[in-house]
Amino acid sequence: EAQVTQNPRYLITVTGKKLTVTCSQNMNHEYMSWYRQDPGLGLRQIYYSMNVEVTDKGDVPEGYKVSRKEKRNFPLILESPSPNQTSLYFCASSSYPYSYNEQFFGPGTRLTVL
Amino acid sequence: DAKTTQPTSMDCAEGRAANLPCNHSTISGNEYVYWYRQIHSQGPQYIIHGLKNNETNEMASLIITEDRKSSTLILPHATLRDTAVYYCIVRVGNSGGSNYKLTFGKGTLLTVNP
Repeated sequence: EAQVTQNPRYLITVTGKKLTVTCSQNMNHEYMSWYRQDPGLGLRQIYYSMNVEVTDKGDVPEGYKVSRKEKRNFPLILESPSPNQTSLYFCASSSYPYSYNEQFFGPGTRLTVL
Repeated sequence: DAKTTQPTSMDCAEGRAANLPCNHSTISGNEYVYWYRQIHSQGPQYIIHGLKNNETNEMASLIITEDRKSSTLILPHATLRDTAVYYCIVRVGNSGGSNYKLTFGKGTLLTVNP
């Protein structure tokens, strides 16, 4: 089954404790992206990657890091999480360029930073 | 990307057709209409897209007016599981656009009632 998986699905952590949210897709997609979703603010892009070793900042990259060492994986790293990073996070992927706008989203990771 | 306007909310009886309108009067000739939906706190899900011809897939039908200034997403036999926020997006086809991100507006909350 074609899918984007994220782990963990739920996470409660404390300020400053480094964490990684994993994202993996099994569709051989070139493009992958991370979004956060907050009430009243909609989906905001954090980082995106056009292919292996190619990443770039989205609209709200501060406090986050990403890497793309393999085509299927695109982990999101919070080196020193803060309460304002409490949010619902989504990873997405698509085939670029032919069907870029048909993005597959993961199930989401609900992160709470205390 | 062209701006879209959708009603804030709509109701539909289970088993009936749900018709969700979208206005995109400033759409350009090379822009496609895409529809996504998001069931509460789940990842957004791609539904369908079209340029100027009507389109149908296993999930829905998309009717685009001849002048392309508006469109209607049709769920032919709505079920309770179709209760979600539906987003209409206008994008240049097969193009990343600004920051290669998807930008969702507020969408239409469709509530399917038993």
